[in-house]
Amino acid sequence: NAGVTQTPKFQVLKTGQSMTLQCAQDMNHEYMSWYRQDPGMGLRLIHYSVGAGITDQGEVPNGYNVSRSTTEDFPLRLLSAAPSQTSVYFCASSYSRGSGGYEQYFGPGTRLTVT
Amino acid sequence: AQSVTQPDIHITVSEGASLELRCNYSYGATPYLFWYVQSPGQGLQLLLKYFSGDTLVQGIKGFEAEFKRSQSSFNLRKPSVHWSDAAEYFCAVAPKGGATNKLIFGTGTLLAVQP
Repeated sequence: NAGVTQTPKFQVLKTGQSMTLQCAQDMNHEYMSWYRQDPGMGLRLIHYSVGAGITDQGEVPNGYNVSRSTTEDFPLRLLSAAPSQTSVYFCASSYSRGSGGYEQYFGPGTRLTVT
Repeated sequence: AQSVTQPDIHITVSEGASLELRCNYSYGATPYLFWYVQSPGQGLQLLLKYFSGDTLVQGIKGFEAEFKRSQSSFNLRKPSVHWSDAAEYFCAVAPKGGATNKLIFGTGTLLAVQP
């Protein structure tokens, strides 16, 4: 199993550009989520999904969109990048609570810089 | 409000010395508790978790943590630190109820190991 994979590893955007951060998992996990990590702030939840076709907002959703058309993929879209979105982004997945899942598995991260 | 506090931003220990990293949480009921480690430029790896039962839990890499309900704490310990333990450590909690696996993270403790 590859686990949770994220692409790209690094990205530089100009203010106002859009892009999609890719996340995929091959563990058949129902639950997937996106976090951003900023110095001194730990990780904060952006959006999450409890299954294909179901998404919801986390703590810091503004400026980000998600969709979940398959169990495996959970892309994060930045519609109009802003310097405040400079961060390291982590995708995570787990089995659902109903399946006894609690431990989340994290991808290697995408480092995004917005100039 | 639900929160996780890691009061030590940065800790330096000598190789071979013992280590204790502090974590306190504020929650309506005892949540699920986790410790993650992040090596430089890497994703997060689960060290250990507490769901219920024995309040002293063993993890990978020789780490252990003790849950103390009266103090709302879940401190991470290691009897003898190795240079490879230099990393950032995050305490996290997740609610016991509900269908989601949302994690709330502390701000992290950066561990440096002196030779």
